[in-house]
Order: sequence, then structure tokens, then C-alpha cells
Amino acid sequence: SQQGEEDPQALSIQEGENATMNCSYKTSINNLQWYRQNSGRGLVHLILIRSNEREKHSGRLRVTLDTSKKSSSLLITASRAADTASYFCATDAAAGGTSYGKLTFGQGTILTVHP
Amino acid sequence: NAGVTQTPKFQVLKTGQSMTLQCAQDMNHEYMSWYRQDPGMGLRLIHYSVGAGITDQGEVPNGYNVSRSTTEDFPLRLLSAAPSQTSVYFCASSSTGSPLHFGNGTRLTVT
Repeated sequence: SQQGEEDPQALSIQEGENATMNCSYKTSINNLQWYRQNSGRGLVHLILIRSNEREKHSGRLRVTLDTSKKSSSLLITASRAADTASYFCATDAAAGGTSYGKLTFGQGTILTVHP
Repeated sequence: NAGVTQTPKFQVLKTGQSMTLQCAQDMNHEYMSWYRQDPGMGLRLIHYSVGAGITDQGEVPNGYNVSRSTTEDFPLRLLSAAPSQTSVYFCASSSTGSPLHFGNGTRLTVT
């Protein structure tokens, strides 16, 4: 069963605007990760936020985590056409704190940034 | 610096045929995993391995076998292909504390 639910399923914006994607999950987690997938390619890791962290930044990316609401958001600021891709959240909920590569993925958000 | 390499990129099978999807990584990662990606479903875990000689089932293991004889290689075998196995298959590797590194996928069609 899917752990993560993402919202919206699709997002269309203009270059320069901010894009916000949301992820909700069901069980306690060790960390939550965001991945990006360009069409026809594999997923690429963007950012990881641990369960004891509330916010994390990486370049134009800002991720928040609210463990009480079991939700996370990914904000991409000043978007570019090259940001057009699918974005997935993934949770590591393994007991003992080591996932061994077992992540549970959401269905993803398709982001289109128009030049 | 190849990372995770998957072959073939595309494959068409007839129902009942068998095949092996290859996956190799050159990062000396302990953990390797296979996911399938279907429209609207995200990625679902098929099988994973925590080291050479050790494998376990994921969420959707039926119809697939794996083995891990070396750290580098983690092939996925389809025993008797069914149309329901039409999907894009991704192999990933990682080590303790690291995110997943994905290959570029194998697009499989079963007719």
C-alpha cells in the first residue's frame, strides 16, 4: 500500500513563480525524502529531512516536515523551465532506523514550468 | 563513474516467456532494490537485498525472483511474464545513511 499521498497531482506555473507540493503519510517515519524524475529517466535524490527536523533548505528548495500532521511540503522558489519534472516524496519507516533501501513512495506531482 | 546501470532499456515479451533484467552498481553499496513504476501508482518495491547472498520480498514480489551473488549485481527474473507485469522497472542502490541511487529503468511490455 502507498504510504505517501501527494497533492496536487499536477501543477502548471510560469517561470519565476514558486511551486509548492505536499505529501502526507500514514505511519511514524525515520526520515522523508524528495526525489525528482525527468521524463524517461530514473529518480534523482533532492533532499532528506529527518523526523526530528522541521525545515531544511538546499539552494532553491525548501522542505518542511510536520510529524504531528504526518505531512511534508516541498517548495521550489523562482522556478525555471528546467524544473519541469515529476516530484516524489518517499518515506523511510523501517524499525531500527535503517531502511536498507526500502522506501515507500507517493504517486508524485507532475510539475510543468512554462517559459 | 557509471553509478547504477540497467539493461536492457526496452523489452517486449510474449505472455509466458521468461527473462532477466540486469542491474549493476559500481559504488560498493551494500543495499540494492527493485521497484516497478506504474501510471498513478508511484514506485512499489518488488525485492531488496542488504548484501551478497541476502534478499527479501517487498510489497509486490509475486512473479519475480532475485539473487545477489556479488555486491555489484542484482538481477531480477520474470519467471512467466504476464500482461500485468507491463511496467517500468527501476533498480536502486544505497548504503547506510545515503539516499537511493537509481538506474534509468527498463521499460517492459508483455503482450
